[in-house]
Amino acid sequence: AQSVTQLGSHVSVSEGALVLLRCNYSSSVPPYLFWYVQYPNQGLQLLLKYTTGATLVKGINGFEAEFKKSETSFHLTKPSAHMSDAAEYFCAVSPGFQKLVFGTGTRLLVSP
Amino acid sequence: NAGVTQTPKFQVLKTGQSMTLQCAQDMNHNSMYWYRQDPGMGLRLIYYSASEGTTDKGEVPNGYNVSRLNKREFSLRLESAAPSQTSVYFCASSGDGRSPMYNEQFFGPGTRLTVL
Repeated sequence: AQSVTQLGSHVSVSEGALVLLRCNYSSSVPPYLFWYVQYPNQGLQLLLKYTTGATLVKGINGFEAEFKKSETSFHLTKPSAHMSDAAEYFCAVSPGFQKLVFGTGTRLLVSP
Repeated sequence: NAGVTQTPKFQVLKTGQSMTLQCAQDMNHNSMYWYRQDPGMGLRLIYYSASEGTTDKGEVPNGYNVSRLNKREFSLRLESAAPSQTSVYFCASSGDGRSPMYNEQFFGPGTRLTVL
């Protein structure tokens, strides 16, 4: 079965610092991978996705993620954190046609 | 486009009561999903509908039923609510058929349900 593991339920950074949110996946077939963001009291919004092709994927709001097959990882990064980035972030993998399996989420805290 | 809409936004039930959560999408998507979100557990799939007229169980279907009323609407019913069903429920949709590749899921704003 396909699954994802997100390391760290909470990550704290200062405004302007690098953001790194970790995601490792388990998949027996080439995976489709996703990062979603959830702002307080809202639904989930797609940040970026990897399906095939280029392994460095750029998303909205300056986020990007790199698919590393050898490390089974799909970590999310942003060079400089902004206060508005404070939210919960979910990594997800597709186990089959249009289904998703989500990680447990990482809450990003940004301090001034 | 409104995207994915859910009603109600909030609901409080007593143990044993029943209710239906409504979901509608206006993106002409083929597939629709119901998830529940609990602290520290991420989102877990309750039921999904790959196309109009079909429904399938997800990871945590016990205590729930669904109806795919038409292509736009997908409802979730709790026949006899239990405190363990206190959660935030999200509806999502995907797949407008324009691309053979995987299409991302679009989420509604959620329903916050408390069962006393």
